[in-house]
Amino acid sequence: DTGVSQDPRHKITKRGQNVTFRCDPISEHNRLYWYRQTLGQGPEFLTYFQNEAQLEKSRLLSDRFSAERPKGSFSTLEIQRTEQGDSAMYLCASSFRMAGANVLTFGAGSRLTVL
Amino acid sequence: KQEVTQIPAALSVPEGENLVLNCSFTDSAIYNLQWFRQDPGKGLTSLLLIQSSQREQTSGRLNASLDKSSGRSTLYIAASQPGDSATYLCATYGGATNKLIFGTGTLLAVQP
Repeated sequence: DTGVSQDPRHKITKRGQNVTFRCDPISEHNRLYWYRQTLGQGPEFLTYFQNEAQLEKSRLLSDRFSAERPKGSFSTLEIQRTEQGDSAMYLCASSFRMAGANVLTFGAGSRLTVL
Repeated sequence: KQEVTQIPAALSVPEGENLVLNCSFTDSAIYNLQWFRQDPGKGLTSLLLIQSSQREQTSGRLNASLDKSSGRSTLYIAASQPGDSATYLCATYGGATNKLIFGTGTLLAVQP
């Protein structure tokens, strides 16, 4: 297992276009998280899945954002009609909770630049 | 609502110095606290995780402590090296939420 994989690593798009990011978690992890990080800030929670169920969504996840994890394995995060304010690093993490500890492993991130 | 604060926001030290990074949180009902390292433009690397029943964890030159009652954690780095230069983030997990809540990080520069 090579850890959490994210694709693409960098996406440059024009305002108004749609973009989709993919995350492949560690195979035995049942939880998957999406975070967004802007320059100089800590990551902010967007949403999380347990298996295929999306259990929590942040208010940051506007109607233009949608996340799926159809088979409880990989996940996609789609942003429709991108805006310049969407420019950020989108981080995916996965975890497996055991004995009260939930240790998240993060991917390298997908950097979005909206022109 | 959990809020996590890290002080200082930036720190520059000469190589070889011991240093302490601070993290404070408002809700002490946490399951664990995790320290991460982030290199510029990269993802997060987990350094240490302290469960709520623990007081500290050590890994090599790193030592993290947790005081739930005061809502504080510290990350101690011994004999700092230029390769330690990065942003260090702390994050708490637990309480009424199933997500990690991050601080804004401390940008560390170790001068050779």
